[in-house]
Amino acid sequence: GENVEQHPSTLSVQEGDSAVIKCTYSDSASNYFPWYKQELGKGPQLIIDIRSNVGEKKDQRIAVTLNKTAKHFSLHITETQPEDSAVYFCAASNEMDSSYKLIFGSGTRLLVRP
Amino acid sequence: DTAVSQTPKYLVTQMGNDKSIKCEQNLGHDTMYWYKQDSKKFLKIMFSYNNKELIINETVPNRFSPKSPDKAHLNLHINSLELGDSAVYFCASSQDRTGGEQYFGPGTRLTVT
Repeated sequence: GENVEQHPSTLSVQEGDSAVIKCTYSDSASNYFPWYKQELGKGPQLIIDIRSNVGEKKDQRIAVTLNKTAKHFSLHITETQPEDSAVYFCAASNEMDSSYKLIFGSGTRLLVRP
Repeated sequence: DTAVSQTPKYLVTQMGNDKSIKCEQNLGHDTMYWYKQDSKKFLKIMFSYNNKELIINETVPNRFSPKSPDKAHLNLHINSLELGDSAVYFCASSQDRTGGEQYFGPGTRLTVT
């Protein structure tokens, strides 16, 4: 089955700097890669996603890149703000699978220092 | 309006007890999920239902039994609670079983003493 590894486990950056979180996946059939943000005491919330027919996607300060050959995908946050502090999860799935499910990485705790 | 709601938010109980967690979604979605998040924040799928039909049942002990009375509700009943069941349980929903965004509830923190 699919296995997703996520690095780093914790990341501390100065406000205004960029943050990069990296994930690798094992199943070449995976074709959908979402990123979720979990704030303290809340459930995860989708912030951006990418499908395997696209190499990069951007939404304001957030971008995701996908390298299908290397089975890597990354989240890039530019001009970080204190409100970006949260736990971020990458995930992978195969949307062609009749039992669609998300396999999550282990999470990255991002701290943005004011 | 809350999209995915869970009750209770906190649940403290003793080993051996039986407890239930309820989940409701008002998004009109066909598919609902239960996830377990352990103390290290690791999120793992437990069950998934599509239109009241069980479609995913991961390697979860038989003490856990999901029930979906209709496609807007997915409850989780846990028998003979053990210390290792302590975790945060999240309910989620998606438009259908073909993929896309999953909407998570606020979570239920279960503490077994």
